[in-house]
Amino acid sequence: AAGVIQSPRHLIKEKRETATLKCYPIPRHDTVYWYQQGPGQDPQFLISFYEKMQSDKGSIPDRFSAQQFSDYHSELNMSSLELGDSALYFCASSLGWGGADYGYTFGSGTRLTVV
Amino acid sequence: AQSVTQLGSHVSVSEGALVLLRCNYSSSVPPYLFWYVQYPNQGLQLLLKYTTGATLVKGINGFEAEFKKSETSFHLTKPSAHMSDAAEYFCAVSEGGNKLVFGAGTILRVKS
Repeated sequence: AAGVIQSPRHLIKEKRETATLKCYPIPRHDTVYWYQQGPGQDPQFLISFYEKMQSDKGSIPDRFSAQQFSDYHSELNMSSLELGDSALYFCASSLGWGGADYGYTFGSGTRLTVV
Repeated sequence: AQSVTQLGSHVSVSEGALVLLRCNYSSSVPPYLFWYVQYPNQGLQLLLKYTTGATLVKGINGFEAEFKKSETSFHLTKPSAHMSDAAEYFCAVSEGGNKLVFGAGTILRVKS
């Protein structure tokens, strides 16, 4: 079965550069969720979108922005990158709002390294 | 707000021995609880979940967990550990339907 696809798998950027991470949800899923997992840490919720509208917001820095497009894929844009942004970024998707109540499906993640 | 506490950041068991990973939660509403497994450099895979109904939940790879409301616990067990079970395990609780709150994780090591 098709899963959540994230690209790229690995990304290396320099400080103060920008990065764009992409997430393609499971077909027909209309909700996406973004998480950040720092080295040795648990995943932290960043932001979610339902039907192309932001549905919830967590500990996302102001330097980050995200959106969901008409085909339901989502992009996380990160500017003025800092060393502390180095992390694994996960995307998850669900059909309908409230997918966390049922355990949504995560992608394999994008590993961002800021040097 | 919901929170999750996983007791023991590292657990080591011998192959064939019982696996017990502990999770306690704090929630002001009936919780939805999950266990995820993460292999090195890979994504999070859902092992099992408790939403409503039977309190003993069976998941993939022979794992199961029991929801105990009186103890606010959701411990993960497996009768016989296998080398392939070595990974990091995260307990999580749903908050507001949209986001999961994760515990700090427990790294399981399986000795031959």
